[in-house]
Amino acid sequence: GAVVSQHPSRVICKSGTSVKIECRSLDFQATTMFWYRQFPKQSLMLMATSNEGSKATYEQGVEKDKFLINHASLTLSTLTVTSAHPEDSSFYICSAGTGDDMNTEAFFGQGTRLTVV
Amino acid sequence: GEDVEQSLFLSVREGDSSVINCTYTDSSSTYLYWYKQEPGAGLQLLTYIFSNMDMKQDQRLTVLLNKKDKHLSLRIADTQTGDSAIYFCAESHTGTASKLTFGTGTRLQVTL
Repeated sequence: GAVVSQHPSRVICKSGTSVKIECRSLDFQATTMFWYRQFPKQSLMLMATSNEGSKATYEQGVEKDKFLINHASLTLSTLTVTSAHPEDSSFYICSAGTGDDMNTEAFFGQGTRLTVV
Repeated sequence: GEDVEQSLFLSVREGDSSVINCTYTDSSSTYLYWYKQEPGAGLQLLTYIFSNMDMKQDQRLTVLLNKKDKHLSLRIADTQTGDSAIYFCAESHTGTASKLTFGTGTRLQVTL
């Protein structure tokens, strides 16, 4: 199956700093990538939808200035958590799709565990 | 909006069958999925079913869909300790099947 690589898998940062998480589709072109967030013992919640070459679409309640998403190429989307605070500590996971109606699978990265101290 | 519900915990003995249930509210759901998440890891797609199907079987996994009741279940036959994980059901109705609404997840514990 298709492979989506997410990097880093774990990161610890100090409050007030910014952290960038990368999501790469290794063997296919991802016209659309999705960023999810998972709090401990809770489900995954969609944060935003990233389309190559255009602005991301954010879900209600997600601050676009805090969670910057860039989808500059068909194989790479980045999520930058700006001015991170301890409450931003979470498991962030991306998924990628080709946008083809015949595609019935979302390919997920391994996830990034962010801890803000 | 869409809502997907699951029971939080299930414990079964090794060798028994596990049945994980899921209910959803969006009648326009096109695809329904089951994902497995092991500790600290990402999501692994186990299987999916189209909304016009009633059942799908894939080796030890059987998915049943009752569209009238908006009820989805995953049966794992001959459950093994390696099946211990969190299982998420998810639905999509966007056609691209990549924007998913997830359930709350069911933690499956397999005991010896």
